[in-house]
Amino acid sequence: SQTIHQWPATLVQPVGSPLSLECTVEGTSNPNLYWYRQAAGRGLQLLFYSVGIGQISSEVPQNLSASRPQDRQFILSSKKLLLSDSGFYLCAWSVDGDQPQHFGDGTRLSIL
Amino acid sequence: GQNIDQPTEMTATEGAIVQINCTYQTSGFNGLFWYQQHAGEAPTFLSYNVLDGLEEKGRFSSFLSRSKGYSYLLLKELQMKDSASYLCAVRGSTDSWGKLQFGAGTQVVVTP
Repeated sequence: SQTIHQWPATLVQPVGSPLSLECTVEGTSNPNLYWYRQAAGRGLQLLFYSVGIGQISSEVPQNLSASRPQDRQFILSSKKLLLSDSGFYLCAWSVDGDQPQHFGDGTRLSIL
Repeated sequence: GQNIDQPTEMTATEGAIVQINCTYQTSGFNGLFWYQQHAGEAPTFLSYNVLDGLEEKGRFSSFLSRSKGYSYLLLKELQMKDSASYLCAVRGSTDSWGKLQFGAGTQVVVTP
């Protein structure tokens, strides 16, 4: 069966520091991968999606970036975090564009 | 653009039935998804409708009317563990990316 791993579970970072969140999927090949952010009490906002290695599309202009160095690895990064980057970051995968997305456990990011 | 509306909060008694409505206005339609999200956790997939009609999965059912831009999630025989936020999400295009637009969620509170 397929599983998705996301780490770390929680992270506290100072403003201006860099960020790297990692997501890996097991048990499937060439999945569609997604990064979402959920602000407190708000809906999920799609940040990035990828349909293959090196193929990244951005949905929202921001100081975040994403990379997919391997088929089942998706990384969310920032060079300098802002206070507004606080939130719950969720990675998701799907078999293809027609199938449901399944989420990792998420990373709760607090910026001080 | 896409607009997805669902009630903010609903309260129901254990053992009762609750119906969560979702209306959407999207540029194209290629599926509607329901997710459950417990506080502090990631969303989990519940159901998926792409054609009109009712999909039943145990205590949970989801209905779709594409002509009305309307869906509902029906929760029967409510249990305390059903207290959670329920997210409606629409896949608004027919491309292969599978991008979802999420509503803000409906918080269901189950009381004894």
